[in-house]
Amino acid sequence: QQQVKQSPQSLIVQKGGISIINCAYENTAFDYFPWYQQFPGKGPALLIAIRPDVSEKKEGRFTISFNKSAKQFSLHIMDSQPGDSATYFCAASNREYGNKLVFGAGTILRVKS
Amino acid sequence: GAVVSQHPSRVICKSGTSVKIECRSLDFQATTMFWYRQFPKKSLMLMATSNEGSKATYEQGVEKDKFLINHASLTLSTLTVTSAHPEDSSFYICSARPLTSDTQYFGPGTRLTVL
Repeated sequence: QQQVKQSPQSLIVQKGGISIINCAYENTAFDYFPWYQQFPGKGPALLIAIRPDVSEKKEGRFTISFNKSAKQFSLHIMDSQPGDSATYFCAASNREYGNKLVFGAGTILRVKS
Repeated sequence: GAVVSQHPSRVICKSGTSVKIECRSLDFQATTMFWYRQFPKKSLMLMATSNEGSKATYEQGVEKDKFLINHASLTLSTLTVTSAHPEDSSFYICSARPLTSDTQYFGPGTRLTVL
């Protein structure tokens, strides 16, 4: 019940295209859903985050869509660029559980120029 | 803002020695810091939660006597890998959560290689 399932495992997108990564969770107590971007040999960097009371949040080319009833959320990267090539992790947490992040397995994104 | 540093970034040690990794929040105070381990092409695995001034809480399966965690101040936590062995070789990453935020900010990671 603590799992966050992420798909796809890897993704290849043409430059300028839209990259879409999906995540699903079971625990309805989760109240915070961040996305992290990680380059090889580096720590994860926060991209964007959302709470369950909002269905969509946009920051620049990055958008989170959140479907509370389906217990799913997704990351959309518009106008994908080669510099976006990285591993993306979705995560979920809850204040009552000490804000411990439960991570998805990760998606390796490659943007072809 | 919200910068977390780790030191060292890379360490190579002999089997049986101990290694200390520092995690600092540079521009904010963090009551809670977290330590993760990451294997190649895998997700982050939470090892322990570190609260300032109290004992760390370890995840199931993590040996607390092997991975000593100290959270001495609101800006510093340390992880000591005691009597390191080759199987402890990994990428160790810390994160810190500001006092009034749900967001965790991650450090750049420490690559540990045990020969």
